[in-house]
Amino acid sequence: GQQVMQIPQYQHVQEGEDFTTYCNSSTTLSNIQWYKQRPGGHPVFLIQLVKSGEVKKQKRLTFQFGEAKKNSSLHITATQTTDVGTYFCAGIGWEYGNKLVFGAGTILRVKS
Amino acid sequence: SAVISQKPSRDICQRGTSLTIQCQVDSQVTMMFWYRQQPGQSLTLIATANQGSEATYESGFVIDKFPISRPNLTFSTLTVSNMSPEDSSIYLCSVEDYGEKGGYTFGSGTRLTVV
Repeated sequence: GQQVMQIPQYQHVQEGEDFTTYCNSSTTLSNIQWYKQRPGGHPVFLIQLVKSGEVKKQKRLTFQFGEAKKNSSLHITATQTTDVGTYFCAGIGWEYGNKLVFGAGTILRVKS
Repeated sequence: SAVISQKPSRDICQRGTSLTIQCQVDSQVTMMFWYRQQPGQSLTLIATANQGSEATYESGFVIDKFPISRPNLTFSTLTVSNMSPEDSSIYLCSVEDYGEKGGYTFGSGTRLTVV
């Protein structure tokens, strides 16, 4: 079954609204990564979080890694139409054979 | 980060035939990864391709169905054999980026439709 859970599956927001997607692993991770896949495109690496409680920002995007290194979130402030796509979290952990395991993804649609 | 050239970008194939997908990386890498992304789904790892040894397959994937070649440190192929409509998916190769930022780079994907 899915080892890295991600919610929500789908979110449709008005341009300018905020958006958050959450990721939860059944086991402790050594790191968690976030990817964006535009419609018809391939996954593009956004960021990697390694440390417990780590927070990183990229312009309007804020990424967090939980204290227990089992959960993570991506928050987008004031969404724009260019944010449209599917956001995947992907974790690496010893119990996953140190391989990248992807969450189900959150599809973001933005109404202008 | 690495740059990957993947081809073909898409193909429509008859059931029972085979398709070979190629990935060329602009730098030498120890491992290359092959993923499948079924329509509307997430990415599932098929196998890890190491140069000079047999690929390592994940549960649910077998060498007879998805033979992989890794002749050198910059190139790999994945063949989808004896295709059925259930094999219709996007297939992607990937390599790890060992730079400061980390993460993995993906090829542009091969969109396969089996009819």
